[in-house]
Amino acid sequence: EAGVVQSPRYKIIEKKQPVAFWCNPISGHNTLYWYLQNLGQGPELLIRYENEEAVDDSQLPKDRFSAERLKGVDSTLKIQPAELGDSAVYLCASSPTAGADTQYFGPGTRLTVL
Amino acid sequence: GQQLNQSPQSMFIQEGEDVSMNCTSSSIFNTWLWYKQDPGEGPVLLIALYKAGELTSNGRLTAQFGITRKDSFLNISASIPSDVGIYFCAGQNRDAGKSTFGDGTTLTVKP
Repeated sequence: EAGVVQSPRYKIIEKKQPVAFWCNPISGHNTLYWYLQNLGQGPELLIRYENEEAVDDSQLPKDRFSAERLKGVDSTLKIQPAELGDSAVYLCASSPTAGADTQYFGPGTRLTVL
Repeated sequence: GQQLNQSPQSMFIQEGEDVSMNCTSSSIFNTWLWYKQDPGEGPVLLIALYKAGELTSNGRLTAQFGITRKDSFLNISASIPSDVGIYFCAGQNRDAGKSTFGDGTTLTVKP
């Protein structure tokens, strides 16, 4: 069974540029999460989807961050414009049902903003 | 919001030694989870705990759900080089549907 797929794995951009990350969850998983992981810290939830609905986006900085999961399968996270402080690893995870304790993480996208 | 404190922040041990790390919270959780993260990868679930006082093992790993529901412990016995990585605890309340992570314990094992 394929795991959570994320792309790109690495991205280097200049500040004020836009950037997008893509995630394909495990087949059949209804719940999808985007996390931000700063160096030396644990993952912090940005947004959680149940199918195509964003059920928790309270930690998403909506002035510059946006996300979508149009058909309830894969998802895109966008930052526009990027700032220096956005340099981090962006992790995507999925779980089979809402509230499931077992989340399966992708390898993450490491973003560097210069 | 909920905060999790993990300690120690890092550990340097000799191969074959046992390891203990813990996680404390200012809030109660219904579920405690322990993950391991290797460089360049996402966290992988090691052990899940669902009941206060519960003690669960996974090979050389043993974790306990604290009686107060505000803490959890992870022990690794007879460490080996592949145990190297960052260990994260996470607390979860099912109603909230999300996990709160600690900042990790970085484990280095010297052969």
